[in-house]
Amino acid sequence: QKEVEQNSGPLSVPEGAIASLNCTYSDRGSQSFFWYRQYSGKSPELIMFIYSNGDKEDGRFTAQLNKASQYVSLLIRDSQPSDSATYLCAVKKSGGYQKVTFGIGTKLQVIP
Amino acid sequence: GAGVSQSPSNKVTEKGKDVELRCDPISGHTALYWYRQRLGQGLEFLIYFQGNSAPDKSGLPSDRFSAERTGESVSTLTIQRTQQEDSAVYLCASSLAWQGSTDTQYFGPGTRLTVL
Repeated sequence: QKEVEQNSGPLSVPEGAIASLNCTYSDRGSQSFFWYRQYSGKSPELIMFIYSNGDKEDGRFTAQLNKASQYVSLLIRDSQPSDSATYLCAVKKSGGYQKVTFGIGTKLQVIP
Repeated sequence: GAGVSQSPSNKVTEKGKDVELRCDPISGHTALYWYRQRLGQGLEFLIYFQGNSAPDKSGLPSDRFSAERTGESVSTLTIQRTQQEDSAVYLCASSLAWQGSTDTQYFGPGTRLTVL
């Protein structure tokens, strides 16, 4: 079982719709969860991080964390063609200076 | 500089030659990661440096790959006897990884390595 699992996609949504990106992780002791966005040919950049169960909102983006189900998601409201990118989920285990582990990423295509 | 820098930005080499890639992290960042990303693929973890601790080398694909970091500054990734399958973008990231921090990684622009 991979430490961080994502569906590679592509996930296609029409412009203006809600895009839902999902991620599961294997280590129940994980403490920090990140969503990065990577445009084609560019380096990843952080969108959001979340520590606590529940929702965290930032503009059109909402991160959702459910530690009991070992599940983290990213919702993008009012999706725009400029949101078309690969979205990487990353997880950090608890305890000391643990490294961050990335999933393979989900490619999102927003259709105008 | 304000961000992570990497050099060279592009490297073309012949099969069998050695290459050295450089990463300058953000000043004060104790953690440094190297990743490999093949065309159309995800990030492949290579190595993780955290302060003066022994590096986590669990992602290095073979003994042709090695990396060093001097203190909390520059890191170099060396690939010996390059093979065509080493062709990829090599990304470096740094973070302020003290306990309680967000540990957000800041990525450099990458080095695109092409092995002919």
